[in-house]
Amino acid sequence: AQSVTQLDSQVPVFEEAPVELRCNYSSSVSVYLFWYVQYPNQGLQLLLKYLSGSTLVKGINGFEAEFNKSQTSFHLRKPSVHISDTAEYFCAVRALNDYKLSFGAGTTVTVRA
Amino acid sequence: SQTIHQWPATLVQPVGSPLSLECTVEGTSNPNLYWYRQAAGRGLQLLFYSVGIGQISSEVPQNLSASRPQDRQFILSSKKLLLSDSGFYLCAWSFGIGETGSRYGYTFGSGTRLTVV
Repeated sequence: AQSVTQLDSQVPVFEEAPVELRCNYSSSVSVYLFWYVQYPNQGLQLLLKYLSGSTLVKGINGFEAEFNKSQTSFHLRKPSVHISDTAEYFCAVRALNDYKLSFGAGTTVTVRA
Repeated sequence: SQTIHQWPATLVQPVGSPLSLECTVEGTSNPNLYWYRQAAGRGLQLLFYSVGIGQISSEVPQNLSASRPQDRQFILSSKKLLLSDSGFYLCAWSFGIGETGSRYGYTFGSGTRLTVV
């Protein structure tokens, strides 16, 4: 089975500052990795995904994430955040031979002016 | 393209009343379907998933049930709601294993905010 740990439950950040959200996973098999964003009272929206190939993946809204197999991590970054990036962010993992996604507990990002 | 619809958006129900939340997917056939619940500060909990009509798997024992009467329709139900059933319910779909699109994770509906009073 797979599991995901998001190391920060809350991340306050000032507008135009960089942000990094940390995600570690555990799996005995190869996995696909995802980051989702959830704005208040909305469903989850896919930010980016790692399937294979380049370990640096770029997503929507200026986000990027780096897959590190040796450290089993998939950290999400944005060099300069906006107020509109205030949301909850979820890291998720799926084994290649399974269809069930395992989610982390989420990280709430609050961007202040 | 595929779309997922979930309704209602909000619902306030008294304790002991029945529940029916509906989710439909358009633009694909034989999707995998999922119901998640998101309680305050508790992340996403997978409640049920279905890989085909009439096939329902439950992840956690609870007061809820799910049904899939048609290929692209997934229903979450309860006969008698409890206060603890309050939360944000999300439906999602994905391609099945072995399909080209199966690598692409889930697509979520817009959610239903259920408050049991």
